[in-house]
Amino acid sequence: DAGVTQSPTHLIKTRGQHVTLRCSPISGHKSVSWYQQVLGQGPQFIFQYYEKEERGRGNFPDRFSARQFPNYSSELNVNALLLGDSALYLCASSLVSSTDTQYFGPGTRLTVL
Amino acid sequence: QKEVEQDPGPLSVPEGAIVSLNCTYSNSAFQYFMWYRQYSRKGPELLMYTYSSGNKEDGRFTAQVDKSSKYISLFIRDSQPSDSATYLCAMSAPSNFGNEKLTFGTGTRLTIIP
Repeated sequence: DAGVTQSPTHLIKTRGQHVTLRCSPISGHKSVSWYQQVLGQGPQFIFQYYEKEERGRGNFPDRFSARQFPNYSSELNVNALLLGDSALYLCASSLVSSTDTQYFGPGTRLTVL
Repeated sequence: QKEVEQDPGPLSVPEGAIVSLNCTYSNSAFQYFMWYRQYSRKGPELLMYTYSSGNKEDGRFTAQVDKSSKYISLFIRDSQPSDSATYLCAMSAPSNFGNEKLTFGTGTRLTIIP
């Protein structure tokens, strides 16, 4: 079975640019969450989407947005990139039940120059 | 104060040793506890998941949760060089949409020396 997939693997952008990251969840999983992991730190929660609606948001500025499509895949968008946005962006999917947990993709490594 | 505290290490132990990794937390709403393993430049891989106090064993791995002390541990027996990775504790509170918000520790970097 395919796990969570993310694209692209690596990305280099310059300050002020916009970026779109993509995620496909495990088959049957309807919830997708996004996390930012800065080097040397644990992942930080950005968003959760379930049934195409935002169900949770972490402490990130409005430059960060996301959406979920009818096939449950998701996009994370970041506008007006800052140097501090350089990180590994992780997507996780889950079944959405009280006892299920999240399974992570390999991540997209974003470098902002 | 961070909601989840984890000693970042690094921790180096000889092959075959027992490894103990620990996290403490301050949010009493946390009811679900996980340990993830992350190899360099890869996504976190779920190792253990538990939602009750006590011990849970899976092969060489044992997860221990003490909700009264807000303390969780992961023990690795007969450690192998392939166990060298960063270990992340994570936890979450119940909600209507599953465990959507995981709160992670900073991760402990572990090296097993052959």
